[in-house]
Amino acid sequence: QSVLTQPPSVSGAPGQRVTISCTGSSSNIGAGYDVHWYQHLPGTAPKLLIYGNTNRPSGVPDRFSGSKSGTSASLAITGLQAEDEADYYCQSYDSSLSTVVFGGGTKLTVL
Amino acid sequence: QVQLQQSGPGLVKPSQTLSLTCAISGDSVSRNSVAWNWIRQSPSRGLEWLGRTYYRSKWYNDYALSVKGRITIDPDTSKNLFSLHLNSVTPEDTALYYCARDPRTRGDHFDYWGQGTLVTVSS
Repeated sequence: QSVLTQPPSVSGAPGQRVTISCTGSSSNIGAGYDVHWYQHLPGTAPKLLIYGNTNRPSGVPDRFSGSKSGTSASLAITGLQAEDEADYYCQSYDSSLSTVVFGGGTKLTVL
Repeated sequence: QVQLQQSGPGLVKPSQTLSLTCAISGDSVSRNSVAWNWIRQSPSRGLEWLGRTYYRSKWYNDYALSVKGRITIDPDTSKNLFSLHLNSVTPEDTALYYCARDPRTRGDHFDYWGQGTLVTVSS
């Protein structure tokens, strides 16, 4: 059971917009800790997509955006492409556990 | 461009020590503003942060409670790498292990990752 809760799967057609939610609590996201997002393709290293809730590292397309409100955060992907099919993970810090915490991951399927 | 290259055995016997190294290129293990981490992934535990080492005029380590007492993360400044040692392993420690850099800006996160090493604990 992950500390941060994500939907197991989401799907969308090419060109559409999808969002992936990440729900935490008052000891992590709700406490003001930043949320970060990763894209993970099997057999490769996870790739940082969003850091500090809303910031994109250099090279990440602006089709990817992040937001945070209260005890939750979201990753939005617009203009869905076949290459976006991957697992997506959110990550934050939990003050009760005194550790970095991850979500359970969401599998994005491009129909 | 920062690159992290992992090495180490893929099979470890129960009760023995799991040891992996992460060689750094494009950065320095002793740079003052970053931290060097180990993270693992398994079907049962998902992504799990294990610990980190970092230099701030002296060396520091932080470890996850789930592995504290069994884990050591060591820097090697002469070779510009850091190592993971996890002792008394059980089949529960079977996982895909990653090293990763935390730039320590806007919260702890990981901008560069190693390629991953699948470690199986089995006799």
